[in-house]
Amino acid sequence: AAGVIQSPRHLIKEKRETATLKCYPIPRHDTVYWYQQGPGQDPQFLISFYEKMQSDKGSIPDRFSAQQFSDYHSELNMSSLELGDSALYFCASSLGGFGVGSPLHFGNGTRLTVT
Amino acid sequence: AQTVTQSQPEMSVQEAETVTLSCTYDTSESDYYLFWYKQPPSRQMILVIRQEAYKQQNATENRFSVNFQKAAKSFSLKISDSQLGDAAMYFCAYRSGRAGTASKLTFGTGTRLQVTL
Repeated sequence: AAGVIQSPRHLIKEKRETATLKCYPIPRHDTVYWYQQGPGQDPQFLISFYEKMQSDKGSIPDRFSAQQFSDYHSELNMSSLELGDSALYFCASSLGGFGVGSPLHFGNGTRLTVT
Repeated sequence: AQTVTQSQPEMSVQEAETVTLSCTYDTSESDYYLFWYKQPPSRQMILVIRQEAYKQQNATENRFSVNFQKAAKSFSLKISDSQLGDAAMYFCAYRSGRAGTASKLTFGTGTRLQVTL
């Protein structure tokens, strides 16, 4: 079965640089979520999109932005990177709306290292 | 806001034995879903089991089962016949059941499970 695809798997950036993370949801999934997981921590919700509209916003810094495109893939743009942004970034997809009980399916994550 | 609490940072179980991981949550909603996710050293997030709050029957998936106590807001995970491959971080998670929304998952802080020979 098709899974959530994230790219790149690993990314190394320097402070103050910009990074773009991509997420391709499971086919027919209309909802995408972004999570940030620091070392030894639980995943923290950043932002979600339902049918290409922002649905919910969590602890996402103003330096970060995201969108969901017409083909339902999503991109997380991170600017003015800081050392503290080093983390594993997960994208997850699910059915939203009346499929609200469906579980979130996670991609393998993008490991971002800021030096 | 909903909160999820996992009070056991680490647990250990011998191979073939049974272990129970605890989770409690706080919510004012009546319609919601609860999940257990497993995160092995590869850092993948893998769905283990799911429970609908409106169902009284406890969910079961092979060696994994839950004890869902809605009044007590408790949702524990039982792993039977533990295997070495069960060693991982286990996260309990809550999702609101409000229809027409893209409800996020709220995670607990996780329980690291060790499986010994």
